[in-house]
Amino acid sequence: DQQVKQNSPSLSVQEGRISILNCDYTNSMFDYFLWYKKYPAEGPTFLISISSIKDKNEDGRFTVFLNKSAKHLSLHIVPSQPGDSAVYFCAAARWHNFNKFYFGSGTKLNVKP
Amino acid sequence: DTGVSQNPRHKITKRGQNVTFRCDPISEHNRLYWYRQTLGQGPEFLTYFQNEAQLEKSRLLSDRFSAERPKGSFSTLEIQRTEQGDSAMYLCASSPGGLGYTFGSGTRLTVV
Repeated sequence: DQQVKQNSPSLSVQEGRISILNCDYTNSMFDYFLWYKKYPAEGPTFLISISSIKDKNEDGRFTVFLNKSAKHLSLHIVPSQPGDSAVYFCAAARWHNFNKFYFGSGTKLNVKP
Repeated sequence: DTGVSQNPRHKITKRGQNVTFRCDPISEHNRLYWYRQTLGQGPEFLTYFQNEAQLEKSRLLSDRFSAERPKGSFSTLEIQRTEQGDSAMYLCASSPGGLGYTFGSGTRLTVV
């Protein structure tokens, strides 16, 4: 049973516009959420995270929003750039066990010039 | 430090053969993780080590799978009697503890 879900396999956005990637989770025990970016032939790289005590975290062009009541988080990229084209994975973990992440299936973002 | 290194990058093997992958973590990281990623899915946790101790194993890690980290440095993941369902990308990651995984580029296994 997948506890972290990304229901959009792909997203296409024009350069300069906002990209919004969504993620839902089912386990209310998750305390920490992360986004990873993956280019072809490379391993995932950490992008941004948020703990359950916050509802927003911002880092440059990237902002993650957390809605605990809806068990939903989203990643906003503004403005989107062609170099952002990659697969984005949402992941979740529990405070007592940061050694095990639960990943979603990923969303492939294509930013068109 | 060049990050987490995994070898080989690609492995093609016949069904029933044994395969072994190697992971060299970032040198100061005491925690090492193995994940498996199949096509269209996100990485799935397999196991993790703190130094040389294997502290958690997923149910995905059947008895055909074994992982070791003998001296708390590099790690090996062996799959015995490979099956076509074992075809996947095997990812290794390391961390100094807590959050902050650094992933390697993975070993892609194809079982024919």
